[in-house]
This record gives sequence, structure tokens and C-alpha cells, in this order.
Amino acid sequence: DAGVIQSPRHEVTEMGQEVTLRCKPISGHDYLFWYRQTMMRGLELLIYFNNNVPIDDSGMPEDRFSAKMPNASFSTLKIQPSEPRDSAVYFCASSTTAVYGYTFGSGTRLTVV
Amino acid sequence: GENVEQHPSTLSVQEGDSAVIKCTYSDSASNYFPWYKQELGKRPQLIIDIRSNVGEKKDQRIAVTLNKTAKHFSLHITETQPEDSAVYFCAASMVGGGNKLTFGTGTQLKVEL
Repeated sequence: DAGVIQSPRHEVTEMGQEVTLRCKPISGHDYLFWYRQTMMRGLELLIYFNNNVPIDDSGMPEDRFSAKMPNASFSTLKIQPSEPRDSAVYFCASSTTAVYGYTFGSGTRLTVV
Repeated sequence: GENVEQHPSTLSVQEGDSAVIKCTYSDSASNYFPWYKQELGKRPQLIIDIRSNVGEKKDQRIAVTLNKTAKHFSLHITETQPEDSAVYFCAASMVGGGNKLTFGTGTQLKVEL
């Protein structure tokens, strides 16, 4: 199994631009999570899906952030427009009902200048 | 919602010594407690977990203890080695609560030669 796959690994963009982060969960996993990691705030849960349906998006910081999961093998996190304070590492993780621990992807390091 | 506190934020030990990291949680309904290790620039990886029907679990040099009454759990690393240097995160979730993990703020462990 290739694990949770995220792309891109690094993204540098200018303030005001749209940014799209991508995630492919482990096949068969029915939960998908998006986390943001910063030095100041640690690991913050942004949103999670169960069977492609968003369950809890209370962690999404603003309307500038949106996430979708059109099918069981793909999810996106979009920031529009991006701001310098969005700079962070964004992790996607997946899990199953039977195994509670997460498997994290390698993360996307986002820098907004 | 759940709140997880983790101490200390940094920990420095000599190679061969033991290291202990402690976490407390607020929601008495939480019953799953994993620990993740994150090396610099890498993804968090699950190293050990414990469920609330067990008081202690051990895997080679790593052990986790759980006190449900006091709502705290700890990670113990014995005979520390330089490769144990990393950030360690505790987390808590509730079975049936959507697998959503709430993470502690992390402990930077440094094992010195």
C-alpha cells in the first residue's frame, strides 16, 4: 500500500492567489481528515469526512477555506484567497472504523508570500 | 469538546536515561489514546496506543500507562537513544465519536550523547 498520498509537497504562492491541496487516502479507509500544523497552534483539525460526507468542519478557520471529497479516493482543500497567515504544513490523514489510529500523509508545506 | 494538555513542552535527557511525557484529557467519554512521533520535516507516525479497558501497554522500550479515574496517560521511553529525538504528540478520541483525534501540543524530546 502506498499510504496516504498528498500533493504538492511544497507550494509557494502569492497573497490573494488560490491554492488547492490534494489527498488520496488509503484504499478502504472510510475516514479522511485535514489538519494544519504550525509552531504556535500545533496540530489543528480543520475538517473530516466519513464515507465522503463532511462530518465536522468547525475547525475551518474562515470562508476562504473549503474542502471536498468527490469520491472515496480523492479530497481537496482549497484556500481562496490565500493570506500569509495561512502558511503552515497541511496534513491529510485517513483511518477506518476498525482501526482508530490515523495514517498521515507526508504533508504539504504552504508558504504564502 | 475534548481538550488534551501535554507536558513538558521540551525534554532533554542523556542517552540511556528514561523519558516520561504526560497528558491529561477532559472528556471522560474518551477511550482511545494514541501516541505519535514526528521527526523533523516528516509526518507524525503512530508508535503506540492504548484503549481504556487496559491500564498499561508495552512495546519494547516504549510503554504507555492510563489512569482513567484521574484522566491522564503517560508515555515512557526507556534506554533512550539519539534516534528517539523527535516531537511526540499524545491524542485522545472517543470510540463512536467519528475517530476524531484531539492532539496535545507536543513534546520536543532531545536525547544527548
